[in-house]
Amino acid sequence: QVQLGESGGGVVQPGRSLRLSCVASGSIFSRSGMHWVRQAPGKGLEWVAMIWYDGTNKYYADSVKGRFTISRDNSVNTLYLQMNILRAEDTAVYYCARDRGTRYLDSWGQGTLVTVSS
Amino acid sequence: EIVLTQSPATLSLSPGERATLSCRASQSVSSYLAWYQQKPGQAPRLLIYDAANRATGIPARFSGSGSGTDFTLTISSLEPEDFAVYYCQQRSDWPLTFGGGTKVEIK
Repeated sequence: QVQLGESGGGVVQPGRSLRLSCVASGSIFSRSGMHWVRQAPGKGLEWVAMIWYDGTNKYYADSVKGRFTISRDNSVNTLYLQMNILRAEDTAVYYCARDRGTRYLDSWGQGTLVTVSS
Repeated sequence: EIVLTQSPATLSLSPGERATLSCRASQSVSSYLAWYQQKPGQAPRLLIYDAANRATGIPARFSGSGSGTDFTLTISSLEPEDFAVYYCQQRSDWPLTFGGGTKVEIK
């Protein structure tokens, strides 16, 4: 079972940038697709982005396309989410999650809170 | 984008009772649907995938059914730890989408 741990959240002003990281334990990371999913306070789950195990394909929700970039470094078992031009509506807990090629999310981190506020 | 509509929004039941949760898709997703459980302050947990298959370690009281546009998650006899929010998710097409959730609360 993979362990996932997110970091990089915090309070940021609208229009600014933030980069989230997700570190995975175990060698299975390099063979797994990875996702970011977010949850606004008191709301439901929203899928954000996905990257293939080798980084060759990426997919984004329309709400973040052109502003967010998902990437990974398999040499250090780390997933990233670069978030630019942040808006108040991006305020949420951001989870990273693993996908073993099924597009179902079978392991999740505990999340990191991003608050966009002036 | 495939929209998933869950009903009811809230289900008030007692321990030992049967829970039936619904998820309806705006277009066919075949059997490409999962269910997740989320407790307060915790990350979601995968319960069911491909509509009817239990994930590793999930108790047999959880079962899923359906195909096409209509899906059901059934908890045969509620245990105290089952009171939580449940989400469905489709993987038939991009973007992946989640339903709005059903909260199962103690009556």
